[in-house]
Amino acid sequence: NAGVMQNPRHLVRRRGQEARLRCSPMKGHSHVYWYRQLPEEGLKFMVYLQKENIIDESGMPKERFSAEFPKEGPSILRIQQVVRGDSAAYFCASSPSKSSTNEKLFFGSGTQLSVL
Amino acid sequence: QQQVKQSPQSLIVQKGGIPIINCAYENTAFDYFPWYQQFPGKGPALLIAIRPDVSEKKEGRFTISFNKSAKQFSLHIMDSQPGDSATYFCAARSARQLTFGSGTQLTVLP
Repeated sequence: NAGVMQNPRHLVRRRGQEARLRCSPMKGHSHVYWYRQLPEEGLKFMVYLQKENIIDESGMPKERFSAEFPKEGPSILRIQQVVRGDSAAYFCASSPSKSSTNEKLFFGSGTQLSVL
Repeated sequence: QQQVKQSPQSLIVQKGGIPIINCAYENTAFDYFPWYQQFPGKGPALLIAIRPDVSEKKEGRFTISFNKSAKQFSLHIMDSQPGDSATYFCAARSARQLTFGSGTQLTVLP
């Protein structure tokens, strides 16, 4: 039973380019969460999605950031026109459909985004 | 009000010692308090969790103490081992979010 799969593990972008981060939840999980972790800081909630729906995006910056979780395929976190301040580790987590909301979160190994 | 304050930022103990990591919160709507363990290059992994109607929960060498009136909770690691060296995050759940503390980097010396 594969865990939460994130790719790429490392992503380097120049300022102004787009970054696409992918997350495949654990089998049978239909809840996906994205978190951002800056060096020596905790994880900051960004967005919570279920299949084809954004449930809570209160942690997402209003501009340049978007997320989706289509009916088929992985969840995508998209950052347009990246800036140096976007450099961080981005973690995806999933939870079982039938558990209490986010009570059991399983995290991927993250994508380290570096903006040059 | 969504903050979870965690201390200390870093902690060094000898093998066999009992590191204690503390967290405090303000939001009384939080209803579930997990602890996560993170090794370098890996995502956080759920370690142990407690609900506010319980004052203590123990799983193996890990114990959570919870003080609802003080809005504080702490993680104790009994008989700590070098393999416990990691970053530990407390967290608190509200309706749709887990709010994490800033993390404690624990080093257990052999």
